[in-house]
Amino acid sequence: DAGITQSPRHKVTETGTPVTLRCHQTENHRYMYWYRQDPGHGLRLIHYSYGVKDTDKGEVSDGYSVSRSKTEDFLLTLESATSSQTSVYFCAINDWDGPEAFFGQGTRLTVV
Amino acid sequence: AQKITQTQPGMFVQEKEAVTLDCTYDTSDQSYGLFWYKQPSSGEMIFLIYQGSYDEQNATEGRYSLNFQKARKSANLVISASQLGDSAMYFCAMREIGRNTPLVFGKGTRLSVIA
Repeated sequence: DAGITQSPRHKVTETGTPVTLRCHQTENHRYMYWYRQDPGHGLRLIHYSYGVKDTDKGEVSDGYSVSRSKTEDFLLTLESATSSQTSVYFCAINDWDGPEAFFGQGTRLTVV
Repeated sequence: AQKITQTQPGMFVQEKEAVTLDCTYDTSDQSYGLFWYKQPSSGEMIFLIYQGSYDEQNATEGRYSLNFQKARKSANLVISASQLGDSAMYFCAMREIGRNTPLVFGKGTRLSVIA
């Protein structure tokens, strides 16, 4: 199994508070992604990274920011959480050695 | 832009029977990959099978095969000899190969296997 760890696995937070989710990989893969999963929507891309300090926006990036200061860590920050950001968040990684992406276990975030 | 369409929100299949999950896609890319992922009730995303747009043979992985029809832009997943453990959400996805663009997912199909 690909070495991807997401933390925390579960979090409940209040509206308006900042939240940071962490994705840590031990595979030294160049590409990292953050998705959110909501019923009826599948997985939608929030942000992705194609190298240290190189990031780009995805389909649903409003209200989110990311940072990648080292290869192994990709952080997703909700600057001021809203109830619409209640979701399951997945991190994924891949590299040139194979086409498929490997996923972390997911983080269930509830904003109350 | 790439788009994946899965038109079956839910499906039922009898144990030991074969089942086909539909997936159609749209892209202007010439070199792309098609993927299927399984998400059981435990929540993890499990990679099942991959088909490259230039692959002439349909991909197979054990009981999973991908019925790739390029002209119709379809990439259906066929599961043979269904098992109770196949009950899960299944997602079709695609991305451009070569530039390593992010995966684009369909909305998924929930498969229920009945004993």
